[in-house]
This record gives sequence, structure tokens and C-alpha cells, in this order.
Amino acid sequence: KAGVTQTPRYLIKTRGQQVTLSCSPISGHRSVSWYQQTPGQGLQFLFEYFSETQRNKGNFPGRFSGRQFSNSRSEMNVSTLELGDSALYLCASSLRDSKQETQYFGPGTRLLVL
Amino acid sequence: GESVGLHLPTLSVQEGDNSIINCAYSNSASDYFIWYKQESGKGPQFIIDIRSNMDKRQGQRVTVLLNKTVKHLSLQIAATQPGDSAVYFCAENAGTGFQKLVFGTGTRLLVSP
Repeated sequence: KAGVTQTPRYLIKTRGQQVTLSCSPISGHRSVSWYQQTPGQGLQFLFEYFSETQRNKGNFPGRFSGRQFSNSRSEMNVSTLELGDSALYLCASSLRDSKQETQYFGPGTRLLVL
Repeated sequence: GESVGLHLPTLSVQEGDNSIINCAYSNSASDYFIWYKQESGKGPQFIIDIRSNMDKRQGQRVTVLLNKTVKHLSLQIAATQPGDSAVYFCAENAGTGFQKLVFGTGTRLLVSP
């Protein structure tokens, strides 16, 4: 079974632009979560989607948004990019949105904001 | 790689040694814990998990121990190999009913041949 896939793998943007990242979960998985990873802050939870609904949200500004489609694929969007948004953005999927469900991660999208 | 923090603790071992990586978690209400391995340029890879109704769980060459009294997790890797070199993260699912992993800062494991 194919793992979690994320596109694109690398992105370079400039301040003020917006960006959309895509995630395809493992086949059959219905929950998708997004995390931001930086050297300074480590891995931080952004949000989680299940059945096209956002179920949980981390402490990030409203510039960070996401959505999930009926096929469980998910996108996240960051508007008005800032230099501090440079990070590795990771998507994880799980079968259900139960608290004790294992999350499996994709390879991430490396975003560089200049 | 992207998983390196400025103050990431490092554990250096020789090939064939046993490694123990420790982690303190924050939320006494957390009831599910996972260890991930992250190699440079890759996303975190699931290693082993444990639920709070257990205090020990074994996998292939790995054992996780959970001490709820002091909110401590450890990952033991037997007969460590160079391919085990990576950053290891513990994570707790702190979501109230839903998915929300809270990650530790990570430990870099360096295995010398």
C-alpha cells in the first residue's frame, strides 16, 4: 500500500505570497493532520481533518488554513507569507480520528520564504 | 536536517550496543504515546506505540517503557546498527478525543561502526 504523499516536495516563495500544499493519505485513511517542523520550535500541530471537517486546530494564525476533500485528500494554504513560515510541512494520515489511532507521516514539503 | 534543533541532545553509541532514549511527556491525561524515527530529508517514521494501560511493549529490536507516575517514556534499541542513526521523537496524543500529537524535542542517535 502506498504511503502518504505530499506535493510539491520543495517550494520557494517570497514574502506576501500565498502557497497551497497538497497531501494524499494512505488509501482508506480518513483522517489527515498537518504539522509544521522548524529547528527552533520543533514539530507543532496545525490542524486535523476528518470527513471534510476540521476537528482540531493548533495555535497558528488565521493565515494558515486547510480543507479536506471527499476522497480524503487534503490541502493547506498559507496566505501572506512571512519569513518565519519557512519550515518543513508534514502531513500525517490515520484510519480514523480516534485519539489512539496511529498517524503515519509523509515526506513533507520544504517551504522556503525569501 | 530539518529535525535538528540548536540544542538537540545527542546519544553516541557503538554498533552492537544497546541504546536507551528517554522522554518526559507533559500531559497526565495523555493515554497514547508513539515513538518516531526521522532521518535527514524524510518525514517521521512510526517505530512503536504504547497505550497508557500498559507499562511495556516490545517490537522487533525495540522496547518502549512507560512510567505514568513520573510521566516518562523510554525507547530501548537492542544491538544498535548504523542504520539506526537518526533523530528520535516521542509523541503523546493530547487531543481531547481527537488527533493532536504533541512532540518532544527529539534526540539524535549517532551509531559508530
